[in-house]
Amino acid sequence: RKEVEQDPGPFNVPEGATVAFNCTYSNSASQSFFWYRQDCRKEPKLLMSVYSSGNEDGRFTAQLNRASQYISLLIRDSKLSDSATYLCVVNGRTSGTYKYIFGTGTRLKVLA
Amino acid sequence: EAGVTQFPSHSVIEKGQTVTLRCDPISGHDNLYWYRRVMGKEIKFLLHFVKESKQDESGMPNNRFLAERTGGTYSTLKVQPAELEDSGVYFCASSRPTGGSYNEQFFGPGTRLTVL
Repeated sequence: RKEVEQDPGPFNVPEGATVAFNCTYSNSASQSFFWYRQDCRKEPKLLMSVYSSGNEDGRFTAQLNRASQYISLLIRDSKLSDSATYLCVVNGRTSGTYKYIFGTGTRLKVLA
Repeated sequence: EAGVTQFPSHSVIEKGQTVTLRCDPISGHDNLYWYRRVMGKEIKFLLHFVKESKQDESGMPNNRFLAERTGGTYSTLKVQPAELEDSGVYFCASSRPTGGSYNEQFFGPGTRLTVL
């Protein structure tokens, strides 16, 4: 079983739609959580950190459920520019260092 | 501020040859990480430097991979001799000296390595 699991998609949605991505992680000792965005053949870039209380940044809302070891990302009013791969990242402390564990990513394509 | 830079952007080599990848972190970032993405798989951690010290190299695949960060600035990752399964995209990331578990890592554009 992978440490971080995501539905690879692709999710094809029309402009203006709301789309939700989910991610589960296996290590209950994981300490911090992120959503990164990766455009084709580019580097991952931080979209938002995910806190236990949930957090919102414009059209993006992230939720964390530690009990269920589950993270979500909601995108409202999708734009063409939201088309990308969304990477769920879990940060855990092992061997005295923080280490990012990535999911395989969920591909989103927003259609005109 | 300038971002993380990596060189080369692409490298095509034959099996058995040696390749050296370079990463220049953001100035002032003590933490430097190497990751690799093999086609169809997730990005995987290789190792972590704090300044010039290897903090965690648990993700290094085998002893054909050697990472260095002399002087605590840029880092190199050498693969010698390269094998077909080493093909993939090698990302470098850096982060600030402090910040705890929510310390953001900034990624470079990656080096796409193809071993023929």
